[in-house]
Amino acid sequence: KAGVTQTPRYLIKTRGQQVTLSCSPISGHRSVSWYQQTPGQGLQFLFEYFSETQRNKGNFPGRFSGRQFSNSRSEMNVSTLELGDSALYLCASSVSGQGEEQYFGPGTRLTVT
Amino acid sequence: DQQVKQNSPSLSVQEGRISILNCDYTNSMFDYFLWYKKYPAEGPTFLISISSIKDKNEDGRFTVFLNKSAKHLSLHIVPSQPGDSAVYFCAATFNYGQNFVFGPGTRLSVLP
Repeated sequence: KAGVTQTPRYLIKTRGQQVTLSCSPISGHRSVSWYQQTPGQGLQFLFEYFSETQRNKGNFPGRFSGRQFSNSRSEMNVSTLELGDSALYLCASSVSGQGEEQYFGPGTRLTVT
Repeated sequence: DQQVKQNSPSLSVQEGRISILNCDYTNSMFDYFLWYKKYPAEGPTFLISISSIKDKNEDGRFTVFLNKSAKHLSLHIVPSQPGDSAVYFCAATFNYGQNFVFGPGTRLSVLP
């Protein structure tokens, strides 16, 4: 079974621009979560989607948004990029999102200049 | 306010010996805990989990212990192997949800 895939793997953007990251979960997994990893803050939960609905949300500003499609694939969007948004963005999937482990993709490294 | 703490940023262990990684949490509502390991340039890989209804879970060389009264969990790796060298994260959630809170990680180095 193929693992979680994320595209692109690397991205360089300029402050003020917007960016869209993509995540394809493991086949059969319906829950997709997004995390931001930075050296200073570690792994921080952004949001979780299940059956095209946002089910949980972390403490991030409204510039961070996401969506999930009927095939469970998910996208994350960041608008009006700031230098502090430079991070590794990780996507994780699980079957139902209840009391089970998550499987992570390799991440998208975003650099904002 | 860090709800999940891993107070040792790094740990070095001799090959074949036991590695013990510790994790403390402050939120008594947490009821499901996971351990992940992460190699550079890769996403975290799931290792082992434990529910708050248990105090121990074993999977091969990996055992996780949960002490609810102390709000403490630990991961034991026996015997340690050089391939275990990685950063280890503990993560916790409540209501068995998917909004996990991660600790800052502990870098384990297993020396041959």
